[in-house]
Amino acid sequence: SAVISQKPSRDICQRGTSLTIQCQVDSQVTMMFWYRQQPGQSLTLIATANQGSEATYESGFVIDKFPISRPNLTFSTLTVSNMSPEDSSIYLCSVEDPDSSGNTIYFGEGSWLTVV
Amino acid sequence: QKEVEQDPGPLSVPEGAIVSLNCTYSNSAFQYFMWYRQYSRKGPELLMYTYSSGNKEDGRFTAQVDKSSKYISLFIRDSQPSDSATYLCASQMDSSYKLIFGSGTRLLVRP
Repeated sequence: SAVISQKPSRDICQRGTSLTIQCQVDSQVTMMFWYRQQPGQSLTLIATANQGSEATYESGFVIDKFPISRPNLTFSTLTVSNMSPEDSSIYLCSVEDPDSSGNTIYFGEGSWLTVV
Repeated sequence: QKEVEQDPGPLSVPEGAIVSLNCTYSNSAFQYFMWYRQYSRKGPELLMYTYSSGNKEDGRFTAQVDKSSKYISLFIRDSQPSDSATYLCASQMDSSYKLIFGSGTRLLVRP
């Protein structure tokens, strides 16, 4: 399985600021995904990021709030813009398994954001 | 109604017990079913991955899917304190990478 590294692992952010989360994978992958896990809630897909194309956002998530970059096959960033306390969540990068013919998805350790 | 429902627990069992974790789902188009384990302050770790109905075994873990009743189960034999974590079930449609998660069941295995 792919090794997924996320930075920062945790941060405390001021209301109204923006933070960019980085995701690095140790192998080339076509599909990268960003999920959100709010306190006590399940994981929800924010968007799918493919290299060379605009990210595809799920219902309820917009590019202005969560801009995503995917400059190559091993890296992606998610920015959480103009943060409010409701954005306090774990943000998780995930990838499809490059060695699997199935739909296996692996997750990074997550970036724990607290907005004050 | 959520597409994947899961009892949040917590579920507390003594060491060595057989644990049964369950989910139900509503979308008949789901074809892939996963179980993830999430330790506190860690990302989800893929435990089991099943396609369509049937059983799959891996060591102490058995995943079971019954598509006729839309029921997903994970059994843990000889449970250990190190199994204490939140267990997340997830479902996925064919030709889609999007995972639909349950809310997770917190499991505590008492020494």
